[in-house]
Amino acid sequence: QKEVEQNSGPLSVPEGAIASLNCTYSDRGSQSFFWYRQYSGKSPELIMSIYSNGDKEDGRFTAQLNKASQYVSLLIRDSQPSDSATYLCAVGKNDMRFGAGTRLTVKP
Amino acid sequence: KAGVTQTPRYLIKTRGQQVTLSCSPISGHRSVSWYQQTPGQGLQFLFEYFSETQRNKGNFPGRFSGRQFSNSRSEMNVSTLELGDSALYLCASSLGTQTGGWGTQYFGPGTRLLVL
Repeated sequence: QKEVEQNSGPLSVPEGAIASLNCTYSDRGSQSFFWYRQYSGKSPELIMSIYSNGDKEDGRFTAQLNKASQYVSLLIRDSQPSDSATYLCAVGKNDMRFGAGTRLTVKP
Repeated sequence: KAGVTQTPRYLIKTRGQQVTLSCSPISGHRSVSWYQQTPGQGLQFLFEYFSETQRNKGNFPGRFSGRQFSNSRSEMNVSTLELGDSALYLCASSLGTQTGGWGTQYFGPGTRLLVL
């Protein structure tokens, strides 16, 4: 079992739809959770960070964390073609573990 | 404020050589982390430095080492290069705290290393 697993994708949604990205992690002691976006040929950039159970909203993005289920998700509302990228889930404890990423395509 | 800078941006080496990569964090950031990104393994954590001390380490062989200077600039060294070391090496900086924990990291553009 991989330590950080993401829905494999690729994921394709029409413009204006909601994109749902999921991530599970194996280390129950993990403390910090992040979603990064990485455009092709570019470095990752932080979209959301979340540290406690529940929802955290920032504009069109909502991160959800459920530590009991070891699950973190990212919802992108009103998806735009510019959201097309690979989304990386990262989980921090003593080190930082990344999932393999989910490639999202938003079709106009 | 200037972002994270990494030098060089591209590097070609041959097996058995060693290489040193440099990272300058955002001004005021005291934590620097290094990552390796490959198509097969994805993004993998190498190590984190805070106030010149290695605080966390990933699961990489001892050929991979690093250090941090008093101005928070960091270097990463890979000795006895292998073909499998070909990768994008990313540096990320964050404010960091004495108590540890992970805050917002800002990634540099990376150094692309090709080992022939």
